[in-house]
Amino acid sequence: DVKVTQSSRYLVKRTGEKVFLECVQDMDHENMFWYRQDPGLGLRLIYFSYDVKMKEKGDIPEGYSVSREKKERFSLILESASTNQTSMYLCASSLEDRANTGELFFGEGSRLTVL
Amino acid sequence: DQQVKQNSPSLSVQEGRISILNCDYTNSMFDYFLWYKKYPAEGPTFLISISSIKDKNEDGRFTVFLNKSAKHLSLHIVPSQPGDSAVYFCAASAIGFGNEKLTFGTGTRLTIIP
Repeated sequence: DVKVTQSSRYLVKRTGEKVFLECVQDMDHENMFWYRQDPGLGLRLIYFSYDVKMKEKGDIPEGYSVSREKKERFSLILESASTNQTSMYLCASSLEDRANTGELFFGEGSRLTVL
Repeated sequence: DQQVKQNSPSLSVQEGRISILNCDYTNSMFDYFLWYKKYPAEGPTFLISISSIKDKNEDGRFTVFLNKSAKHLSLHIVPSQPGDSAVYFCAASAIGFGNEKLTFGTGTRLTIIP
C-alpha cells in the first residue's frame, strides 16, 4: 500500500525559529512535492523535486527551502518562521510518469502554528 | 491570480440525490484535470481525472464532465452517500506543454445530509 509519512502532525514554534518538516515515501517515487493548504486559498505549491538533489520552486517559495538527499526523503525548511507561515503543510509524491495518471499521493499533513 | 476557481465554498445535498461540484479555469494551456477528496486531518486522495481529449469520464458513482470552450469542469456524484462528505479540490496541469505541476482550486466542502 502506498505510504507518504510526515514526521510531525502538529507543531508549535516561535517566530524566528528554524523549522524542519520531514516527509518520507516508501513507493520509490521519483517526484516529491510540498504544498500548503490555507482556508480560501486551496493548495499552493511551495517546492518540488524530480530527482535526488534536485529542486524547483513552486508558486510560493519565499521563506522556504528544501532538501532531497535521498530519493525517499524530502524536507521542507523554514529558516526563520513567521506567523504568516502558520498553515497545514502537505507532502506528496508521484511516479515519474505521473503525466499519464495525474495522481499525487499525499501524506496526512503537518499543522504548523507559529506564535 | 487564481487560475483554477471553485466558486462555491460549500454545498449541502440530501443523501441519495445528485451532488454537482463545479470548477472553472482560466489557463487555456491546461490539458489534464483531476479531482481530489479530503477528509479532516487527512491528506487529499485522488478521485478521478480527465484529459482534454475527452469530455466525460466515469468511475462508479463519480463522473467528471469537461467543457473546454467554457473552461469549465464538473464532478457529479450519484447517488450521494454520507461518506462523500468531505472537501473536494479540482486541479489542473498543462502536461502537453511540459508543465506537469498541479494547480489546485480553493475547494468545496460537500455535506451530505442523511
